[in-house]
Amino acid sequence: DSGVTQTPKHLITATGQRVTLRCSPRSGDLSVYWYQQSLDQGLQFLIQYYNGEERAKGNILERFSAQQFPDLHSELNLSSLELGDSALYFCASSVDGALGTDTQYFGPGTRLTVL
Amino acid sequence: DQQVKQNSPSLSVQEGRISILNCDYTNSMFDYFLWYKKYPAEGPTFLISISSIKDKNEDGRFTVFLNKSAKHLSLHIVPSQPGDSAVYFCAASHSNYQLIWGAGTKLIIKP
Repeated sequence: DSGVTQTPKHLITATGQRVTLRCSPRSGDLSVYWYQQSLDQGLQFLIQYYNGEERAKGNILERFSAQQFPDLHSELNLSSLELGDSALYFCASSVDGALGTDTQYFGPGTRLTVL
Repeated sequence: DQQVKQNSPSLSVQEGRISILNCDYTNSMFDYFLWYKKYPAEGPTFLISISSIKDKNEDGRFTVFLNKSAKHLSLHIVPSQPGDSAVYFCAASHSNYQLIWGAGTKLIIKP
């Protein structure tokens, strides 16, 4: 158990809909990262927050947005969903947010299926 | 543009033998490399890392080798154990920028 929690575990929805994925980081970690893993692909970095502020942006679509709240939990909002958005979405957290060298601890992921 | 490539989708190794997982990269600016391990229904977990100033880093049964001239790194697991069966991801970064991940190699340890 990494200490990072993600809800829900599974989500099935229809095209055009909007969903919210939630992540609670490890106690004491200030940084949260969101990743997308499509079938048989590596992890694609979406976005990072550090202590409530956006720190870095990766391959995140304009239909997607995220935020980190004062209690440090984070939400990833996916809107106007398309079939291609079906994937595993991982949240990770780290102590201070140095992107490359800071060890990231991953949650179990949310599997999103868009029908 | 795949900057980090793991060309073997899967690898099967006998228990007790050495497992060697390979990773190639194209960006010569990468200065930090990591290996993560992932079990089904779980998120990846950090395994071992190496800075570009080194060519080897060892942690117990796990050793990572970095060949900068060939832009190649490898993870050696000796001896391989059944619990090592998992998907292994290679990742790289430069100047503390975001991690770039490979597609993963599924390692199967046969009893």
